[in-house]
Amino acid sequence: KNQVEQSPQSLIILEGKNCTLQCNYTVSPFSNLRWYKQDTGRGPVSLTIMTFSENTKSNGRYTATLDADTKQSSLHITASQLSDSASYICVVSARVVGNKLVFGAGTILRVKS
Amino acid sequence: NAGVTQTPKFQVLKTGQSMTLQCAQDMNHEYMSWYRQDPGMGLRLIHYSVGAGITDQGEVPNGYNVSRSTTEDFPLRLLSAAPSQTSVYFCASSYSNSLNYEQYFGPGTRLTVT
Repeated sequence: KNQVEQSPQSLIILEGKNCTLQCNYTVSPFSNLRWYKQDTGRGPVSLTIMTFSENTKSNGRYTATLDADTKQSSLHITASQLSDSASYICVVSARVVGNKLVFGAGTILRVKS
Repeated sequence: NAGVTQTPKFQVLKTGQSMTLQCAQDMNHEYMSWYRQDPGMGLRLIHYSVGAGITDQGEVPNGYNVSRSTTEDFPLRLLSAAPSQTSVYFCASSYSNSLNYEQYFGPGTRLTVT
């Protein structure tokens, strides 16, 4: 069964600290993996898209890694800011008819001052 | 360029009532889709469209209808609302159904069915 599991479910960190969010997937056949940021009351906004051949991709203070062999991805946030408080969603695309997207439940990050 | 817009932002319905959630995009995207987001779960695809006049079912289509008469608009109709349809609904659009194209999400509609 195609699944995306994220950990932890929620996380609280102090402003300025780094953190890493995890994503494990069983989606097959794999096409790409995306990380989205969803602010409270808003729609998801894309941070990165990674294909099979990409190991690392950065977007400012956000760095995503992908290990296609172990089917794991991580999102590292450097020098966190209060505005990083949001839900972070991992989404894996399956190369099947209809190009199915499988969404994780998200990790809720709260950055405290 | 407004991107993807959704109306209303909030809605309360009684069981059995019908309503239409509106979605529009101004990016000339061919692919549009509707998702629902429930607590503790990932977004689930309700219906999608790969172009004007073409729609198809997603993962959880029961109780919902869609149509795509123009490229810009993709309304979602609830035929007879049930409490199980209480959720946050997101519309999304993409240049194409190809997997490497970015999906843009609207701000969402929070629906409560009593």
